[in-house]
Amino acid sequence: DAGVIQSPRHEVTEMGQEVTLRCKPISGHDYLFWYRQTMMRGLELLIYFNNNVPIDDSGMPEDRFSAKMPNASFSTLKIQPSEPRDSAVYFCASSLANSPLHFGNGTRLTVT
Amino acid sequence: AQRVTQPEKLLSVFKGAPVELKCNYSYSGSPELFWYVQYSRQRLQLLLRHISRESIKGFTADLNKGETSFHLKKPFAQEEDSAMYYCALRGGSGGYQKVTFGTGTKLQVIP
Repeated sequence: DAGVIQSPRHEVTEMGQEVTLRCKPISGHDYLFWYRQTMMRGLELLIYFNNNVPIDDSGMPEDRFSAKMPNASFSTLKIQPSEPRDSAVYFCASSLANSPLHFGNGTRLTVT
Repeated sequence: AQRVTQPEKLLSVFKGAPVELKCNYSYSGSPELFWYVQYSRQRLQLLLRHISRESIKGFTADLNKGETSFHLKKPFAQEEDSAMYYCALRGGSGGYQKVTFGTGTKLQVIP
């Protein structure tokens, strides 16, 4: 298994542009998590899904952020419009119930 | 709401010295605690979980419910232990599968 796959690895965009981050979880895992990592705040949970259904999105910063999981093998995190303060590393992770998380390599987002 | 606190952003120790990375949590139920590690240029990975009560790479962590702590310890630090360490808690508002992380501690082992 290739593990959790995220794309792109790096994204540089200008303020105001739309950004879409992608994640393919490990096959068979029914939980999917999106985290944001910054120096100041560490790893913040943005949203998590169970069987493609969002369970808790209380960590989503504001309406500019949205996440979808149209099927068990794909999820997106979209930022529209992007702002410089969104610059961070975004991680996707997947798991089975009551099991440890498996993380992707992350997407490093830079908004200029 | 559940919370995980790692008071140190950076911990520097000499090779061979003991290591203790602090983690405190707040949670009203019975938590499940984890330590994850991120080595340079690698993805975050599980180091250990409290229910396993095992030692991984010489690290141990004991859940102390009275002090609401889950400190990570190693008697003799090695250079390859240099990494970012995150304490995490599963449970709380938002569903039991929700995993909340601390802000992380960067461990630097000086040769």
